Amino acid sequence: DQQVKQNSPSLSVQEGRISILNCDYTNSMFDYFLWYKKYPAEGPTFLISISSIKDKNEDGRFTVFLNKSAKHLSLHIVPSQPGDSAVYFCAASREASGAQKLVFGQGTRLTINP
Amino acid sequence: NAGVTQTPKFRILKIGQSMTLQCTQDMNHNYMYWYRQDPGMGLKLIYYSVGAGITDKGEVPNGYNVSRSTTEDFPLRLELAAPSQTSVYFCASKDRGYNEQFFGPGTRLTVL
Repeated sequence: DQQVKQNSPSLSVQEGRISILNCDYTNSMFDYFLWYKKYPAEGPTFLISISSIKDKNEDGRFTVFLNKSAKHLSLHIVPSQPGDSAVYFCAASREASGAQKLVFGQGTRLTINP
Repeated sequence: NAGVTQTPKFRILKIGQSMTLQCTQDMNHNYMYWYRQDPGMGLKLIYYSVGAGITDKGEVPNGYNVSRSTTEDFPLRLELAAPSQTSVYFCASKDRGYNEQFFGPGTRLTVL
C-alpha cells in the first residue's frame, strides 16, 4: 500500500522555466510534508517543508503548495536552473518535530535542459 | 562537522553472511534512522532511535537488528544476508525540536 505517490518518474524542463513536481498521499493522519533532493551517489538533502495547517510555504525559488482536501502537494521551482537536475522525493510524517517517521514517494527525476 | 558518516560505501555479501553497517553523527542529535532504497523506489524506514538505549521498528524491520549504545553511533546488523536485502542503505539523524533529517551518503549492498 503506497501511502505517498509520485506518479511522474521523470520530468524535463527548459532552463529558466517553471518546474512543477507533484505528490499525492492517502493517509489523512499525515501532518507534515517535506521535499528532499538527491544527487547520484549522495544522500537526500532537505529542501522545503510544510505543515498541514498551511497551504503554501515559500523559500527563495522553491514553493510548496498543499491541498489537504485533495491530499495533494506540489513543489514549484522558479526559475529552474541546471543545478536543479536531481531526483526529488516527497515525504510525509504524522509529526513534525518528534520521532518523524518519514514515508517517501518513489521520486521524480528532474532534468533541466539548457 | 562531518555530519552523518556511513561505512562502508560498498559491500558485496554472499547469501547467509552477516555484516554491520556503521553510522556515526557528530551533531549530538537525539534521533537516528535507517532507511533502505530499492531501485526506482522511495526510501523505506527500517529502524529508528529516539536516544541512546531506545530503538523501535520502522516499516521494514525483518532481517535487521540495531543498537544505540551512544548518542553518536547507530549500527545496523544483517544476520543472514538474503538477495532481497540488496539495496542502498541510508542513515539519518535529526535534532529534537527540529524538523529536518540529515542523511549520510549511503552504503550500497549487494547480496549474491
